[in-house]
Amino acid sequence: DGGITQSPKYLFRKEGQNVTLSCEQNLNHDAMYWYRQDPGQGLRLIYYSQIVNDFQKGDIAEGYSVSREKKESFPLTVTSAQKNPTAFYLCASSILSGQAYYGYTFGSGTRLTVV
Amino acid sequence: SQKIEQNSEALNIQEGKTATLTCNYTNYSPAYLQWYRQDPGRGPVFLLLIRENEKEKRKERLKVTFDTTLKQSLFHITASQPADSATYLCALGGSYIPTFGRGTSLIVHP
Repeated sequence: DGGITQSPKYLFRKEGQNVTLSCEQNLNHDAMYWYRQDPGQGLRLIYYSQIVNDFQKGDIAEGYSVSREKKESFPLTVTSAQKNPTAFYLCASSILSGQAYYGYTFGSGTRLTVV
Repeated sequence: SQKIEQNSEALNIQEGKTATLTCNYTNYSPAYLQWYRQDPGRGPVFLLLIRENEKEKRKERLKVTFDTTLKQSLFHITASQPADSATYLCALGGSYIPTFGRGTSLIVHP
């Protein structure tokens, strides 16, 4: 079955540590996205990528980094510069030209907690 | 700045009734509006799209309306079931990246 796989489901980070969240899709979608979701808040866009080797900052990119070396993969690194990283992280993908009609396909999320 | 408002209070209804959720927006002229369902600890799932020139869209027990004058979309679930209990998010688009609302929790009691 086609879909998006995020791993791990739960992740614990120590202060000052960088961690990387994995996102893989086998839908052949061109565009991929990272969102952060906090309780009582909407999805906030961190980074997005429309094609391989290209990505753009979203609304809250500070303290995060991404890469897009393969069409299927869009990993997110939460760096030590991110002061409040505890949140639920969602990866999504979409058809570039049909994004409106087909919507986003989301992964199951990674819950990151600072310990 | 753009603002999307969804009721932060949970909507509690009895099984079999029609649930109606609201999405209001300001400072925005979206070309389309999407609705998603999100279960606890899971990613949102795309349900429906309605475009700015459409008044109403239906899909099985779901109905969405879009009033660009009132700047409001209503999302209806008829003959609601306990399995419909979830958080429902609206997303407004026009430029490439849509903007999501905070979502409204729906609880359907048996």
